[in-house]
Amino acid sequence: NAGVTQTPKFRVLKTGQSMTLLCAQDMNHEYMYWYRQDPGMGLRLIHYSVGEGTTAKGEVPDGYNVSRLKKQNFLLGLESAAPSQTSVYFCASSTRDRGQTQYFGPGTRLLVL
Amino acid sequence: DAKTTQPPSMDCAEGRAANLPCNHSTISGNEYVYWYRQIHSQGPQYIIHGLKNNETNEMASLIITEDRKSSTLILPHATLRDTAVYYCIVHGSSNTGKLIFGQGTTLQVKP
Repeated sequence: NAGVTQTPKFRVLKTGQSMTLLCAQDMNHEYMYWYRQDPGMGLRLIHYSVGEGTTAKGEVPDGYNVSRLKKQNFLLGLESAAPSQTSVYFCASSTRDRGQTQYFGPGTRLLVL
Repeated sequence: DAKTTQPPSMDCAEGRAANLPCNHSTISGNEYVYWYRQIHSQGPQYIIHGLKNNETNEMASLIITEDRKSSTLILPHATLRDTAVYYCIVHGSSNTGKLIFGQGTTLQVKP
């Protein structure tokens, strides 16, 4: 099993450009999450999904949209990138049981100029 | 979910036990204590979790006080590869799976 994979690994955008980050998991997990991590900080939850076709806002959702059309994929979109969105983005997945473990991807480094 | 307090940094000699403390005085009865670590900007890695009883796995041991207001993660024989940021997270009051990460403890294992 590959676990949680993220595409791309690194991207440079200009202010105002758009892009989509892809997260894929092969563990048949119901829950998926998108976090961002700024330098020297802990992870902050952007959006999450408790099942196919369902998404919800996390701690810092502004400027991002998400979609979960397939159970194994969770997409994070930036419609109009801003320098404040320069960060490392981590995707995670878990089962829906209480006491569940989250499994994280390797991260996507995004630089917005 | 309850808030946690951890020391910002700790050192440990290679081969010795690393004991990482965490305070969670507002923890409620149905909340678990989780530990994750993050090595050099990689994705966080699950270590261990527990509810009331002490837990042990191949990576670490988790000691939870009887009143559940604090816990200690023990790495029994720390190696240089254990140098990382360790996050103590209390979670479980809802069923959405959301984790709230604090600043964590930066553990530096020294030769």
